[in-house]
Amino acid sequence: AQKITQTQPGMFVQEKEAVTLDCTYDTSDQSYGLFWYKQPSSGEMIFLIYQGSYDEQNATEGRYSLNFQKARKSANLVISASQLGDSAMYFCAMRDDYKLSFGAGTTVTVRA
Amino acid sequence: EAGVTQSPTHLIKTRGQQATLRCSPISGHTSVYWYQQALGLGLQFLLWYDEGEERNRGNFPPRFSGRQFPNYSSELNVNALELEDSALYLCASSLGTEQFFGPGTRLTVL
Repeated sequence: AQKITQTQPGMFVQEKEAVTLDCTYDTSDQSYGLFWYKQPSSGEMIFLIYQGSYDEQNATEGRYSLNFQKARKSANLVISASQLGDSAMYFCAMRDDYKLSFGAGTTVTVRA
Repeated sequence: EAGVTQSPTHLIKTRGQQATLRCSPISGHTSVYWYQQALGLGLQFLLWYDEGEERNRGNFPPRFSGRQFPNYSSELNVNALELEDSALYLCASSLGTEQFFGPGTRLTVL
């Protein structure tokens, strides 16, 4: 069974600063995919970024980048130049064959 | 392009009743996934439908069931509702790797 661990229940970040959200995973598969989703208070899960296990480059999508360290089994999300609208819950997930397995999530609060 | 849609947005039921939740995937997506997000339990996989067939289900009792229609929309039915079924139910659709989620249906069981 695969497992996703997010050890930071909540984080505060100053507007315009960068924040790193930690995610470690456990799998015996050689091929896997890692995802980050944002869940605002409205409830919708918004897809942010994807990293395949065989991708040599770290994934980047706008202000989001994924710091993928395969040997350490970590896939940290970096949000640069934080905005007030970034305040939300962030989930790390791994594709487990057909479904997604999620971590417990990290609440990010951006302060003005 | 329209995203995943779900209805209703909110649903209030009493114990023992049945609830029906609906999901329309992104156009062209054939796979639909259902997840339950209960307070304190995180996101749990419920069901996966693809090409009209149930492909897999999570660790939930049989009173959680559903189906997928020829247009790939899906329905989740929860029978004999219990208080602990209160949760946000999220539907996602996929054509390959990424899963795209709808806004969810918040079910409250009184």
